[in-house]
Amino acid sequence: AQSVTQLGSHVSVSEGALVLLRCNYSSSVPPYLFWYVQYPNQGLQLLLKYTSAATLVKGINGFEAEFKKSETSFHLTKPSAHMSDAAEYFCAVSEHYNQGGKLIFGQGTELSVKP
Amino acid sequence: NAGVTQTPKFRVLKTGQSMTLLCAQDMNHEYMYWYRQDPGMGLRLIHYSVGEGTTAKGEVPDGYNVSRLKKQNFLLGLESAAPSQTSVYFCASSYTNSGRVTYEQYFGPGTRLTVT
Repeated sequence: AQSVTQLGSHVSVSEGALVLLRCNYSSSVPPYLFWYVQYPNQGLQLLLKYTSAATLVKGINGFEAEFKKSETSFHLTKPSAHMSDAAEYFCAVSEHYNQGGKLIFGQGTELSVKP
Repeated sequence: NAGVTQTPKFRVLKTGQSMTLLCAQDMNHEYMYWYRQDPGMGLRLIHYSVGEGTTAKGEVPDGYNVSRLKKQNFLLGLESAAPSQTSVYFCASSYTNSGRVTYEQYFGPGTRLTVT
């Protein structure tokens, strides 16, 4: 079965600094990969997705992620953090060939942005 | 479009009480899901549905039942609530593209349930 590991449950950066949130998945077959963002007391919002096209995927709010098959990774980056980026971020991977469109979510990484 | 909506937003139950959470989507999506979110555990799938009249168990189905009588609605029921079911519940929906699953899920705002 698929699994997703997000390294670091909390990440803190200064405003203007690079944001790097790490995600590794377990499948040997390239799945579909997603990053979602959750602001306090809200539902999850899709940031970006990888669906076997370009390995560098650009999303909303200046975020991007790179699919690296050799490392089974899909890390999320943003060159310059903004205070409004403070939220919880979830990496998710599709269950391959499943008929229900199911996703497996990581445990989440809470991003804090210091002024 | 309202997207995915959930009713109610908050609820407090006593142990043993029952309730139904309603999820509605106006995007004509085929697939719908119920998750629970607990601190440090990400989202865990309770039940899901791939179409009207069909449901299936997810990762943590015990203590919950679901129904999908209409394509746009997905109901989650707790027959006899327990304190372990205190959680935030999210509904999501997803669509197919030319018959292929997209895996792209759209989430509602959540229901915060406390069982005392």
